[in-house]
Amino acid sequence: KAGVTQTPRYLIKTRGQQVTLSCSPISGHRSVSWYQQTPGQGLQFLFEYFSETQRNKGNFPGRFSGRQFSNSRSEMNVSTLELGDSALYLCASMKRGGLPSTGELFFGEGSRLTVL
Amino acid sequence: DQQVKQNSPSLSVQEGRISILNCDYTNSMFDYFLWYKKYPAEGPTFLISISSIKDKNEDGRFTVFLNKSAKHLSLHIVPSQPGDSAVYFCAASALNLNTGTASKLTFGTGTRLQVTL
Repeated sequence: KAGVTQTPRYLIKTRGQQVTLSCSPISGHRSVSWYQQTPGQGLQFLFEYFSETQRNKGNFPGRFSGRQFSNSRSEMNVSTLELGDSALYLCASMKRGGLPSTGELFFGEGSRLTVL
Repeated sequence: DQQVKQNSPSLSVQEGRISILNCDYTNSMFDYFLWYKKYPAEGPTFLISISSIKDKNEDGRFTVFLNKSAKHLSLHIVPSQPGDSAVYFCAASALNLNTGTASKLTFGTGTRLQVTL
């Protein structure tokens, strides 16, 4: 069974540009969440999509947005990039609607964004 | 405001000994707790979890203890093995009353465990 796939794995952008990251969840998983990992802050929740609707949202500015398609694939977009946006962006998928359960959140390997 | 805190950024333990990783939380609405393990260049992988109605959960070499009154949980690894060397993240979730789901995880900043020979 294929895992969560994220593309691209690495990318470099400059300040002011925008970026789109893609995530393909595990087949059959309808929930997709995005997290930002930075050295000082750990993993921080960006947002979650379920059945093409944003269901949960973290405390990030409006420059961070996302969407989910009918096949459950998801994209996140960051506009007007800032140096502080440099991070590992992790996507996670989940089969059912939510926890609790035995750790149903499956993570991809992440997209590492560097903003120069 | 860090609602889940892992105050030890790193921990070094000899092979065969016990590793104890600690986690504190401040949000009393959290009712489910998880530990994830992360190797470099990989996404986090689920290790073990515990519901707030329990105080202990065991899975092989891994045991998680929850002290609700102290808002503290710990992960014990016995015996520690070199392959356990990784970053360990504590995470917590709370029921979202609007959506009826608990799918948002709040993570700690991680503890890097090094198991030495």
